[in-house]
Amino acid sequence: GESVGLHLPTLSVQEGDNSIINCAYSNSASDYFIWYKQESGKGPQFIIDIRSNMDKRQGQRVTVLLNKTVKHLSLQIAATQPGDSAVYFCAENGAGNNDMRFGAGTRLTVKP
Amino acid sequence: ETGVTQSPTHLIKTRGQQVTLRCSSQSGHNTVSWYQQALGQGPQFIFQYYREEENGRGNFPPRFSGLQFPNYSSELNVNALELDDSALYLCASSPGTGVTEQYFGPGTRLTVT
Repeated sequence: GESVGLHLPTLSVQEGDNSIINCAYSNSASDYFIWYKQESGKGPQFIIDIRSNMDKRQGQRVTVLLNKTVKHLSLQIAATQPGDSAVYFCAENGAGNNDMRFGAGTRLTVKP
Repeated sequence: ETGVTQSPTHLIKTRGQQVTLRCSSQSGHNTVSWYQQALGQGPQFIFQYYREEENGRGNFPPRFSGLQFPNYSSELNVNALELDDSALYLCASSPGTGVTEQYFGPGTRLTVT
């Protein structure tokens, strides 16, 4: 069936390094993608989004890359900081749908 | 600070009981979506309410029901609680029925024993 998933459940990086979190999706009809950050005890927080007519979008210290050919999404965090430690989810949405479908999440740990 | 609030923060119920969870949407938002997040998993869409009507539903049984009030706040009701209903229940509000600009509340942690 259709699914949204992540390649790695955990990622540990050194403070100051760049982080890359990956996500695979299987629904070719998905045309909108969001990366969320969820800290302990909080709801998901929007980080960055991208539509299927783009392959790259940049924000403050974050970049999302979309490869529709292989149905792959990645989140790059530059100069990772301890405050970036959280669980990161990719989520996808298909045209005309009003729900986001989330992957299982990747826990990012930043070591000082 | 998203402005979306949920109550209660934590709740413990017994199997078979009923529970009501509440959500106040962010100012200016007329749509509320509810998600269930089991431990170690991503949120799963339960349903969405727009202008007091259900506007889309995920793969959840009818014992999961909801309401939206004229002030756009919302309730999630779960009847005949099962152990597997233990989860973090998240609501998200948005200015329309699309998923852009969807802001999540902190969630209600429900434990069913």
